[in-house]
Amino acid sequence: AQKITQTQPGMFVQEKEAVTLDCTYDTSDQSYGLFWYKQPSSGEMIFLIYQGSYDEQNATEGRYSLNFQKARKSANLVISASQLGDSAMYFCAMREGTPGGGADGLTFGKGTHLIIQP
Amino acid sequence: DGGITQSPKYLFRKEGQNVTLSCEQNLNHDAMYWYRQDPGQGLRLIYYSQIVNDFQKGDIAEGYSVSREKKESFPLTVTSAQKNPTAFYLCASSIDVWLAGGPRLQYFGAGTRLSVL
Repeated sequence: AQKITQTQPGMFVQEKEAVTLDCTYDTSDQSYGLFWYKQPSSGEMIFLIYQGSYDEQNATEGRYSLNFQKARKSANLVISASQLGDSAMYFCAMREGTPGGGADGLTFGKGTHLIIQP
Repeated sequence: DGGITQSPKYLFRKEGQNVTLSCEQNLNHDAMYWYRQDPGQGLRLIYYSQIVNDFQKGDIAEGYSVSREKKESFPLTVTSAQKNPTAFYLCASSIDVWLAGGPRLQYFGAGTRLSVL
C-alpha cells in the first residue's frame, strides 16, 4: 500500500484563486512529520511547509497553509491567492519514526502538477 | 552561501560502465541522502548516511553504492548492475538526526540527470 497518496495528477487554476492540493498518508507511528515541497521545471526541490504529528495548530507559512486532519490522515496544502510563479510540481512527503532513532529518509507521493492560468 | 552542490548537471553512461555522481554540502549537516526520481514520479530513497563512515540502504539500493569519508561529501556510484539508471538524482542533507524534536528539514541540491547512451 502506498504510504503517501496524492490523488490529483494535474490541476488548472485561475490566477488569484485559492487552491487545495490533496495528500493522504498511511503510518502506524505515533510520531511523524509531514512536508510539502515544490519542484519547478528546473528540478530543484523547494521546502514549503512542515507539520509535526503532535502539532495541534495547522502550520502556516505566508501564502501556504497545511490543513492537517489527523484522524483522517490527511495533510492538504492550501495556497491562497495563487500566482503564475506557483506553477510547478508539488510533492507531499512523510518522515516516520521517533526523533533520534530509526530510518530518516522521506517517503514521497507521486506529486500534483499545478498550472496557474492568467 | 551555504548549500548543496551536485555535479555534473548532466551525465551519460555507456553500457557496462560505472559512473559517480558528486554531492557536496557546506551546511555542516550530519545526515545526507540520495534520492532517485523517474518521470512523473515522486522521489525514492536510495541510500542515506547519518554520520561519517556509516550509511544505510534505502528502498532501492540495488545497483548503487555510496561512501561517506568526509562530512561534506556523499558520492553516489551507479554501477553496471543497475540496469535502468536513466533518472534524475537528487542529493539532500539535514541536521543531526539525534537531536530531539524539530522537522530535521532536508535541503536539496539541484540534481543530476543521468542518461544511458
